[in-house]
Amino acid sequence: GQNIDQPTEMTATEGAIVQINCTYQTSGFNGLFWYQQHAGEAPTFLSYNVLDGLEEKGRFSSFLSRSKGYSYLLLKELQMKDSASYLCAVRPQYGGSQGNLIFGKGTKLSVKP
Amino acid sequence: GAVVSQHPSWVICKSGTSVKIECRSLDFQATTMFWYRQFPKQSLMLMATSNEGSKATYEQGVEKDKFLINHASLTLSTLTVTSAHPEDSSFYICSASSAYADLQLITYEQYFGPGTRLTVT
Repeated sequence: GQNIDQPTEMTATEGAIVQINCTYQTSGFNGLFWYQQHAGEAPTFLSYNVLDGLEEKGRFSSFLSRSKGYSYLLLKELQMKDSASYLCAVRPQYGGSQGNLIFGKGTKLSVKP
Repeated sequence: GAVVSQHPSWVICKSGTSVKIECRSLDFQATTMFWYRQFPKQSLMLMATSNEGSKATYEQGVEKDKFLINHASLTLSTLTVTSAHPEDSSFYICSASSAYADLQLITYEQYFGPGTRLTVT
């Protein structure tokens, strides 16, 4: 079956660094995505990894290890507006349904002053 | 980035009635659109995959006769919830898929609409 695990909740302090982990077990692999979702809103794209290693984009970085079925999202210089749910999603196959994603349950991050 | 709109953003309807939700890709052509449902404190669950000009592919457990999907053009897909019941109350989100070249591979990115909150009374 398809399974994506990430912590349910995390708390961090404004200005700090936080790492959100994600492990996955899927029938195939064609990329891993991180999305940010504020309450009552649709997800917004943060990052995409398809090869092993670190992808950096401003205050956000995402790491992937395909052999370990593991990824993390790193948020630096946390701001209050970063309080949101962070969704890890895996695209399990090439072509086919053109990008079908399987989502984890999301990690709710609370940033405290 | 690409923009996807949904209409309406929220709707309240009575039990037994039908509701239509529109999903539009505003500045690109989407050969594939996805419909998700999200219950409170739950993750997004894929309901169906909609390809332009063909029948939608429904995920296991999703009733195709209850959730009618039409993808008549490259910029518009509609989801109709027929004979809605209170348990259908949820946040419905569509996404549109756009192909792009990455590392010499053709891959597909999904752009999400803002979602439609359906409440069935």
